[in-house]
Amino acid sequence: GQNIDQPTEMTATEGAIVQINCTYQTSGFNGLFWYQQHAGEAPTFLSYNVLDGLEEKGRFSSLISRSNGYCYLLLKELQMKDSASYLCAVEDSNYQLIWGAGTKLIIKP
Amino acid sequence: ETGVTQTPRHLVMGMTNKKSLKCEQHLGHNAMYWYKQSAKKPLELMFVYNFKEQTENNSVPSRFSPECPNSSHLFLHLHTLQPEDSALYLCASSQAAGTGGYEQYFGPGTRLTVT
Repeated sequence: GQNIDQPTEMTATEGAIVQINCTYQTSGFNGLFWYQQHAGEAPTFLSYNVLDGLEEKGRFSSLISRSNGYCYLLLKELQMKDSASYLCAVEDSNYQLIWGAGTKLIIKP
Repeated sequence: ETGVTQTPRHLVMGMTNKKSLKCEQHLGHNAMYWYKQSAKKPLELMFVYNFKEQTENNSVPSRFSPECPNSSHLFLHLHTLQPEDSALYLCASSQAAGTGGYEQYFGPGTRLTVT
């Protein structure tokens, strides 16, 4: 079966940097999505990329390493409002999204 | 109103009830989705409609019945549910399905409790 693994919970300090890892076992790879979901709210789109390497978007960066089946989301200059769950999703060879269970990120002052 | 809306936001129903969830998107998208979200589990894709045609039914029990009358509206009809069906039901839309790179826009969800 297809599977996405990401840590259940992480804690970081305001102003610091945190890396949320995501490993995938899917039938093919057609792209990586990251979504942010605040408690009690809908997921909102953060980023999409398909090529290997690091793609930066403001304080957030997304890395793909297809040869290793490994991705991460890097958040810099953490703010309290970044406390949320971060969902990793991979598009497989049929363009179906395979979702991870999400990483709950707790930011402490 | 913009984006994706869902009603009701909260629903409590008995196992013998029949109810419907409604979703509407104001984004001009051609694909709509129903997901089930349970605590600490990945989003479970239930149904996909692409240009009003159902393209995905991920082994969902028949007590869940989708309806897509047009590309802006999506319903999920519920009947004789089980307590394990209690979850957050999310509707989403995207420009299209079955092709790469289109982000999905989610509604706020319906929190369903089956008693």
